[in-house]
Formats: sequence, structure tokens, C-alpha cells
Amino acid sequence: LAKTTQPISMDSYEGQEVNITCSHNNIATNDYITWYQQFPSQGPRFIIQGYKTKVTNEVASLFIPADRKSSTLSLPRVSLSDTAVYYCLVGDPWVTGGGNKLTFGTGTQLKVEL
Amino acid sequence: DTAVSQTPKYLVTQMGNDKSIKCEQNLGHDTMYWYKQDSKKFLKIMFSYNNKELIINETVPNRFSPKSPDKAHLNLHINSLELGDSAVYFCASSQNRGSYEQYFGPGTRLTVT
Repeated sequence: LAKTTQPISMDSYEGQEVNITCSHNNIATNDYITWYQQFPSQGPRFIIQGYKTKVTNEVASLFIPADRKSSTLSLPRVSLSDTAVYYCLVGDPWVTGGGNKLTFGTGTQLKVEL
Repeated sequence: DTAVSQTPKYLVTQMGNDKSIKCEQNLGHDTMYWYKQDSKKFLKIMFSYNNKELIINETVPNRFSPKSPDKAHLNLHINSLELGDSAVYFCASSQNRGSYEQYFGPGTRLTVT
């Protein structure tokens, strides 16, 4: 299984750029990298997904080096409302049966202060 | 309108009881999932259905039985509840089985006493 490792927590201030890195050394060829955000007492919310190089959407960027053994979620100019847990998920949804890789890691608790 | 809804939101019950959690999605998605999030915030997939067909069946005790009457609904029945079943259970859906973008429900906090 493509186990993921993330920092347990990060602190930042409003207006700063935050980069959260996820390590996934044994990522498989067909695995994609997906990031989710979770607020307390809510379900996770999809942020961004990618396979290689760089992906950008209206809320974040995802940087994936050529060896794909890690990925970095970049949140530009964070605000207080970005305080949440961020999960890196590596897997292939086409894997069925048992042993599916769709397991989230421990997540990174991001705390944004004024 | 709520995209993915779950009932109940909270469930407190005693060991040995049988309980069900219901999930409905109004997104027209083909695929639905059940996840379990434990006290350490690990979020692990349990089951997935695609158009009423079971496609993911993780190592979960037989006491847990999912049922999908149609592609908009996925219910979870748990028999003989144990203390270790206490967790938050999330339902999710995605457009199809190959989609990485899942939409999660608000969760059902199950407490077994």
C-alpha cells in the first residue's frame, strides 16, 4: 500500500503561503495524489488532485516532482478559515475487491492565526 | 439542497445492539462509499458500491453489512455492536468508480456504551 507521511501540525499567519508536504515513497504507477480538507465535525472536502508536475485550481496548487515520491500542497495567502486538517491520499480508485488503497493518512492540522 | 446526507447524525447505543445508518446522495453519482474515522482521525474506506454493485470490500468484520437499494442510497447495518465500533462513519459519493473527487456527508457519530 502507498503509505503516506505528513507533518502532524503546522502553524501560519493570515496572508502567508503555506506548503504542506506529503511523502509517499512506494507510490504505484497508476496511483494519483489527492488532497482533502476537513473541518471539525464535517466530512472531508476535495481540494485538488494530480499525477505529475503541477496542477493549479482556484484554491490551491499541487506540486509533484518527477519521481512522484512526494507532493506539496500549496495554499496561497491563507486566512483564518483555512484552519483545518489536510489529508494527502494516494491511490487508484480502479482497484476493487479488498486491499484498496483509498486510505487517508493521519493528516496535517493547519492552524492559521492573525 | 444537501448533496450527501446521512441519518442519524448521532447514535448512542449499547453493546450487542443492532443499528443502521442511512445515506442518500442527490448528485446523480454512480459510486458511493462508507468510511470509518476513528478517534485518532484515521479515515479508512470500508465499502464502495457502483450502481448497486459492491466493488470495494475492505477487511471489515462480518457484523458490518452494506446495502444499496439504488444508486442514490447506501445504508450500513451493524450487528452486535462492540465498543471498538465507536467512531464517526462517513458516507461519500463520486461521479463514477474512477473519480478521485469524492463528496462526503456530514458523518454519523456512533458511540457504543
